[in-house]
Amino acid sequence: GQQLNQSPQSMFIQEGEDVSMNCTSSSIFNTWLWYKQDPGEGPVLLIALYKAGELTSNGRLTAQFGITRKDSFLNISASIPSDVGIYFCAGQLIRDYKLSFGAGTTVTVRA
Amino acid sequence: DAGVIQSPRHEVTEMGQEVTLRCKPISGHNSLFWYRQTMMRGLELLIYFNNNVPIDDSGMPEDRFSAKMPNASFSTLKIQPSEPRDSAVYFCASSLGKSDEQYFGPGTRLTVT
Repeated sequence: GQQLNQSPQSMFIQEGEDVSMNCTSSSIFNTWLWYKQDPGEGPVLLIALYKAGELTSNGRLTAQFGITRKDSFLNISASIPSDVGIYFCAGQLIRDYKLSFGAGTTVTVRA
Repeated sequence: DAGVIQSPRHEVTEMGQEVTLRCKPISGHNSLFWYRQTMMRGLELLIYFNNNVPIDDSGMPEDRFSAKMPNASFSTLKIQPSEPRDSAVYFCASSLGKSDEQYFGPGTRLTVT
């Protein structure tokens, strides 16, 4: 699938800070997904978004499906050390099995 | 409920050797995917099975790569002969239906020397 533009590529965060990352595409998607990958593990699904404009929360995580269907963002509030890892966005077309992945945002906690 | 299971977790082999990676999808899932992850290319879909039948193998790099799914609970990805450029993390993922949420296994880190 096509590569999505995910930013930032990496970020250092202070414990307690809010974190934001986003993903954009040149074409529309019907589903946006956010995954987190810990070192040595596979990506784990955090949030799935199915409708343009949808805002969904999962604990301290909040994600939104952009109105244009070409973008999505993920917010992490009050970050904690276990939030470190690589966050991937993925877009999917309706009734399609293919996922288009972003390159990932690496989150590191600043000591 | 057990997630996707992959084995081995790590594999180190010499160039030219055959490598077989194994996957057990989540019970009841009828779609299975093999991905490869590298720093340069990110996550790439290699092959997709639906109801044990290969539907899309366009992502398989070359003839050295082959995948099978003999039954609903087992799949293999084989590389023969292996080359150093095959070094990567290989993930298996499964989903209930072809367009449903994909759940990834822990991956196999392959190093070919």
